[in-house]
Amino acid sequence: DTEVTQTPKHLVMGMTNKKSLKCEQHMGHRAMYWYKQKAKKPPELMFVYSYEKLSINESVPSRFSPECPNSSLLNLHLHALQPEDSALYLCASSQGFDSYEQYFGPGTRLTVT
Amino acid sequence: AQKVTQAQTEISVVEKEDVTLDCVYETRDTTYYLFWYKQPPSGELVFLIRRNSFDEQNEISGRYSWNFQKSTSSFNFTITASQVVDSAVYFCALSEFRVDFGNEKLTFGTGTRLTIIP
Repeated sequence: DTEVTQTPKHLVMGMTNKKSLKCEQHMGHRAMYWYKQKAKKPPELMFVYSYEKLSINESVPSRFSPECPNSSLLNLHLHALQPEDSALYLCASSQGFDSYEQYFGPGTRLTVT
Repeated sequence: AQKVTQAQTEISVVEKEDVTLDCVYETRDTTYYLFWYKQPPSGELVFLIRRNSFDEQNEISGRYSWNFQKSTSSFNFTITASQVVDSAVYFCALSEFRVDFGNEKLTFGTGTRLTIIP
């Protein structure tokens, strides 16, 4: 089973709202990732969690706040977003070492109004 | 700095034709990994293949084949007898070696949008 699930599939939020994106995997993977993808662009790495600890933050604005409650779950808390933050947000997981492939979820399509 | 170039922005072929997607990479690492991902209109990136820098054997999986040439820093992907379901954006990616355990960063190419015409 190589499934990564993400909820919700679509999200529309105002600039003053607070919302969260959720990601779950049950493959025993030890690394989990958040990516942002704008239309017709490749995914851009935002955060990496390794063994439930934040190991990479690609200078993401503080209005995006990641959380890894346990080894299977990854959240992305959103607050005071801007319209330019509208994008597809992808979660991925990997075994966590030796360049194992990353498995991606279906993404959450976020629209900020 | 690492770089992945997919010079073909968009390709259209008629169904059953063969098509090759090009990928050229740059890295200073001696140990690295190359990947291909498929992104259909639904949005999910689907892993297709991983190849390490020490393994230059070509690989075939059904209608898919990959040609890795270290001498030209290329990792090309060929679809034989294309089908409409192959229509998608294809990304080539290069992993960045990190000393710290468990941290992998992928450098993606800009992607090639492949359209298979029925």
